Amino acid sequence: QVQLVQSGAEVKKPGSSVKVSCKASGGTFNSYTINWVRQAPGQGLEWLGRTTPILDTTNYAQMFQGRVTISADTSTTTVYMELSGLKSDDTAIYYCATGGWQLLPNFDDWGQGTLVTVSS
Amino acid sequence: QSALTQPASVSASPGQSITISCTGTSSDIGAYNFVSWYQQFPGKAPKLIIFDVNKRPPGFSNRFSGSKSGNTASLTISGLQAEDEADYYCSSYSRGDTLIFGGGSRLTVL
Repeated sequence: QVQLVQSGAEVKKPGSSVKVSCKASGGTFNSYTINWVRQAPGQGLEWLGRTTPILDTTNYAQMFQGRVTISADTSTTTVYMELSGLKSDDTAIYYCATGGWQLLPNFDDWGQGTLVTVSS
Repeated sequence: QSALTQPASVSASPGQSITISCTGTSSDIGAYNFVSWYQQFPGKAPKLIIFDVNKRPPGFSNRFSGSKSGNTASLTISGLQAEDEADYYCSSYSRGDTLIFGGGSRLTVL
């Protein structure tokens, strides 16, 4: 089992960017992918994208293309998700979660979530 | 990609069975056997309970089962217990290399 610990809550202004971190421990960092999923207050889940650290590759959901950047630092087993051009409807809890190498909706281990609030 | 369609709420009494539907299209659920289900309690992260339409993670209760017919996937919970009260989300791989989720269904155990 992989433990994922995310950075703390953020409050941002519209138009700015936010960068959330997700530190992995346990398991072998290069044997899984890290996905990002968000959940707006009282709403459903939404997949933003993922990184495969060992290959240094990324996949992004089309609706976030150009606004989201996911990166990995293998030396610290930490993955980052940066979302730019923030709007009020980006207010959500952002989760990181482990997945397999195939792009499948099977997320085994989850971080505790990071609340990002976008408000003027 | 549009979200998958789930009923907003479902309810049943303890001991009964309940089925939650998840409707997609021929580009996602209808095209691939890659449907997962998640259970989420208030204030907690989701937990994977079904993957690849009908497989359970090791150790997870066999009261939970999954199936698929055409563009619709289903989660069935048998022998309903009070602790099953939670939100349930379906998810599917979709053409174009993306993943989509349903809007979620709140299960109330009466």
